[in-house]
Amino acid sequence: GAVVSQHPSRVICKSGTSVKIECRSLDFQATTMFWYRQFPKQSLMLMATSNEGSKATYEQGVEKDKFLINHASLTLSTLTVTSAHPEDSSFYICSAQLHLAGGPTGELFFGEGSRLTVL
Amino acid sequence: RKEVEQDPGPFNVPEGATVAFNCTYSNSASQSFFWYRQDCRKEPKLLMSVYSSGNEDGRFTAQLNRASQYISLLIRDSKLSDSATYLCVVKENFNKFYFGSGTKLNVKP
Repeated sequence: GAVVSQHPSRVICKSGTSVKIECRSLDFQATTMFWYRQFPKQSLMLMATSNEGSKATYEQGVEKDKFLINHASLTLSTLTVTSAHPEDSSFYICSAQLHLAGGPTGELFFGEGSRLTVL
Repeated sequence: RKEVEQDPGPFNVPEGATVAFNCTYSNSASQSFFWYRQDCRKEPKLLMSVYSSGNEDGRFTAQLNRASQYISLLIRDSKLSDSATYLCVVKENFNKFYFGSGTKLNVKP
């Protein structure tokens, strides 16, 4: 089953509205989660690192006031796209590391992604 | 220079063929290495971690060459269902992951 769950999977909104996307780690705690966006036929682009209980760390060129990240608990991070415009239409994906007891590496597991379309 | 580089492909191979992808990384201190598979319009899914001694999972074999700073993925007896984009992911430290641009594989009947 899914290790990381993301919701909604698809959202269509009008220009100027805000959209919230949730990312949950299932059955494990994630002090750090990551948010990406992906354009068609391109690779993942890291937007920000979400840190539980503190401010997110944004990548260069990503507007903090545009993409609000909140990581209020050890199992939930949210990304809010504020005042969305058509150019914000994209596939947004979150991920979290799963560290198993005795496990070596801490692989990333991804949410199912959220496809945002702004009209 | 990008931290992780991959040949974007596409690699077009017939069913049953053996195909190999390489991925180079720039930071010699990188700690962990992974191959992910991403289907069109879906999230990446972990295919396999790459261990120093090399590892195999069925038709898939992953290898790490620290001296030359590359990892490889070998797929034997390709299936139509192997068609996807294969992402190389390199972990530098606890929270720093770098992604390759992905290599697209098309397996033809």
